[in-house]
Amino acid sequence: DAGVIQSPRHEVTEMGQEVTLRCKPISGHNSLFWYRQTMMRGLELLIYFNNNVPIDDSGMPEDRFSAKMPNASFSTLKIQPSEPRDSAVYFCASSNLPSGSWTGELFFGEGSRLTVL
Amino acid sequence: AQKITQTQPGMFVQEKEAVTLDCTYDTSDPSYGLFWYKQPSSGEMIFLIYQGSYDQQNATEGRYSLNFQKARKSANLVISASQLGDSAMYFCAMREGNSGNTPLVFGKGTRLSVIA
Repeated sequence: DAGVIQSPRHEVTEMGQEVTLRCKPISGHNSLFWYRQTMMRGLELLIYFNNNVPIDDSGMPEDRFSAKMPNASFSTLKIQPSEPRDSAVYFCASSNLPSGSWTGELFFGEGSRLTVL
Repeated sequence: AQKITQTQPGMFVQEKEAVTLDCTYDTSDPSYGLFWYKQPSSGEMIFLIYQGSYDQQNATEGRYSLNFQKARKSANLVISASQLGDSAMYFCAMREGNSGNTPLVFGKGTRLSVIA
């Protein structure tokens, strides 16, 4: 079975450019999470969706960040304009839990390593 | 306040020995789940083990076991018979509540180095 698929795996861009990260969750999963990992701050939740609807975007750093989930099989995280401090590994994860359950792990993609020069 | 605290930034263990990685958590919700993930140098996040707040027994998965002490709010990971391939970052995480799909909150991690 295919896992969570993220692209690109690596992105190097210059400050001010637009960056779009993509994620395909595991088929049948109804929740999708975007995390950012840095040495200083560890793994931070940016935003998550249930059934394609954004539930909590309080972790999105600022208006330069936006995320969409137009359908159950695709999500994007966009940074416009990018800044050097956005350099990090961005993880997408998915899960499928019934309402009322707190069991079950998140399945992570391999991450997108972003470097903003 | 931090939800998940991992106080050991780095640990060393001799090959074939057991090692305990500490994790304490903070929640007022009676329903929660605790998770451990491994992140090798290649970067992927690998799920290891899960413990539910109502589980009576400590979780075990192969060489991994979770020492769950509810009153102390600790969920330490025990790796038995360490192998060189266990060298990695280890993250403790928690999900609170039973309202459905909610995120995991992660600790800062512990870097484990296994020495031959």
